[in-house]
Amino acid sequence: AQSVTQLGSHVSVSEGALVLLRCNYSSSVPPYLFWYVQYPNQGLQLLLKYTSAATLVKGINGFEAEFKKSETSFHLTKPSAHMSDAAEYFCAVNDNAGNMLTFGGGTRLMVKP
Amino acid sequence: GAGVSQTPSNKVTEKGKYVELRCDPISGHTALYWYRQSLGQGPEFLIYFQGTGAADDSGLPNDRFFAVRPEGSVSTLKIQRTERGDSAVYLCASSLRNTGELFFGEGSRLTVL
Repeated sequence: AQSVTQLGSHVSVSEGALVLLRCNYSSSVPPYLFWYVQYPNQGLQLLLKYTSAATLVKGINGFEAEFKKSETSFHLTKPSAHMSDAAEYFCAVNDNAGNMLTFGGGTRLMVKP
Repeated sequence: GAGVSQTPSNKVTEKGKYVELRCDPISGHTALYWYRQSLGQGPEFLIYFQGTGAADDSGLPNDRFFAVRPEGSVSTLKIQRTERGDSAVYLCASSLRNTGELFFGEGSRLTVL
């Protein structure tokens, strides 16, 4: 069975500050891991994905995430937040590529001017 | 359009009524997924199609929920005898076989009064 835990349902940062959104997973096999972003009134969009290649994955809009097997984590970071980054972020795990994703509960990122 | 299309975008119905939600996936995508997203929560898996057949329907909450994909493209999610607890955003996604990367539509918001 696979599951995802996102610590912090709401995260608030100042514009220009570091963004850190936490994700921990459990999986019985080496996982595929994903971060999706959902802007208001829009569908989920893929930010980045880990599929057992490099452990540091770079995505769109300056986001990146690092797979740490020993910590079962896949935290999302961005060095400098922009106002346009305000959205809901979802971490997801798939332990059999091609089958369904299991999502975490989401973290709403707020960016203060 | 090039993306996943879902109709209707909004549906308000009365308790006990029958509802159909339609998903038109990206052309050429063989896998199609239905998820349900309640307010403040992450997407919850309902059912996954590979071609015309349901490869995994373990997420359907009960026998009031049913989904079809008769020609391997468009899918319809059917909910009988709707209940207030069925109110949620129903998300559809599609993917190329075995990539693990899902492309989501904007969802159909169902409100059961």
